[in-house]
Amino acid sequence: DAMVIQNPRYQVTQFGKPVTLSCSQTLNHNVMYWYQQKSSQAPKLLFHYYDKDFNNEADTPDNFQSRRPNTSFCFLDIRSPGLGDAAMYLCATGHPYNEQFFGPGTRLTVL
Amino acid sequence: AQSVTQLGSHVSVSEGALVLLRCNYSSSVPPYLFWYVQYPNQGLQLLLKYTSAATLVKGINGFEAEFKKSETSFHLTKPSAHMSDAAEYFCAVKREYGNKLVFGAGTILRVKS
Repeated sequence: DAMVIQNPRYQVTQFGKPVTLSCSQTLNHNVMYWYQQKSSQAPKLLFHYYDKDFNNEADTPDNFQSRRPNTSFCFLDIRSPGLGDAAMYLCATGHPYNEQFFGPGTRLTVL
Repeated sequence: AQSVTQLGSHVSVSEGALVLLRCNYSSSVPPYLFWYVQYPNQGLQLLLKYTSAATLVKGINGFEAEFKKSETSFHLTKPSAHMSDAAEYFCAVKREYGNKLVFGAGTILRVKS
């Protein structure tokens, strides 16, 4: 089945230790998104790629970076995680002007 | 700019009762509207979407929503709640420019037996 896959589902890291979250898709969509979702809140868009074009949200901290080496994969790098970065991270894909398809998410814990 | 307001952060219904989750939107152009459902520790799953075709949209799991331009609303309904419907529901509108969604704050649905 075509889908959006996120690995790992649960990630524990230490304060200040870099961490990378991974997303892959078999849907062949142009656009890939990364969202941060904290408890009882709506997802907050961090950035997205339209093909190879990177689009950062104005309020996304510099601590968050992303890479998209090919159509299928996209990575979220957190360079120095703080306690406030503990959250669910959601990857989504889509074609322009259509709905977004979400992966199952990665729950990040920062100790 | 597009925005979405979901009235009621928590809604509680009895099993078998009508589910009504409210969503009002603000948009300067004909909107693309979506309802998503999120179960605990899961991603968001698309329930249904409105893209300027039929105003009554049927989705998965027995849900439907009606687009009412005069009321700028896109409320989600289900005739008979099931225990498995307990989840958080998000209404979203596509931004006028670009490929982004604007989400409402979400409504947590509780189903009582």
